[in-house]
Amino acid sequence: ETGVTQTPRHLVMGMTNKKSLKCEQHLGHNAMYWYKQSAKKPLELMFVYSLEERVENNSVPSRFSPECPNSSHLFLHLHTLQPEDSALYLCASSQAGKGTEAFFGQGTRLTVV
Amino acid sequence: AQKITQTQPGMFVQEKEAVTLDCTYDTSDPSYGLFWYKQPSSGEMIFLIYQGSYDQQNATEGRYSLNFQKARKSANLVISASQLGDSAMYFCAMRDPNYGGATNKLIFGTGTLLAVQP
Repeated sequence: ETGVTQTPRHLVMGMTNKKSLKCEQHLGHNAMYWYKQSAKKPLELMFVYSLEERVENNSVPSRFSPECPNSSHLFLHLHTLQPEDSALYLCASSQAGKGTEAFFGQGTRLTVV
Repeated sequence: AQKITQTQPGMFVQEKEAVTLDCTYDTSDPSYGLFWYKQPSSGEMIFLIYQGSYDQQNATEGRYSLNFQKARKSANLVISASQLGDSAMYFCAMRDPNYGGATNKLIFGTGTLLAVQP
């Protein structure tokens, strides 16, 4: 498999549940990202990992907890979410260099009930 | 602060015609990069085209071209010979020029929904 793969594609969870989103990139990139896409809003950057170190936490609530065990994998651990957290969560990866584009996965459509 | 503005929430175009999707940006940094992405209903963001602020020529990739007007801070996407499969959301994005290191932090616009009609 090539590119950026996200699982699951769809997730429905209750506010008291704990779940994790997974992202895997097969491109040999050294940076990975989590973005949140809510309806009628621009994509919001949540977290950035460069060489497996978190380099940005964009004022994201602590109920979202990222993990990057190696350069190919990125997780987003979710607990005690709120209904307003329902959104499409997109993972992306890129390689060092100003001109290089980020490659995105297909996203996880999360619904919090 | 850096900002991307897409003023067209939705656009219609007839199949085989050309369409221009507008994008303006705001930055005070002389070095920046501009991207266009396509997002079909499946959700994946697909990279289309890139323009660097110092690039002398407008970027082109197949049926996609970027009309880069630096003085006006605009980076419009032109799709020639539209196809039914071009129906999707289109996002303009800018690499945050204040963000260094090995990463590409992107600032996105709100997108334009393009519908190609047969």
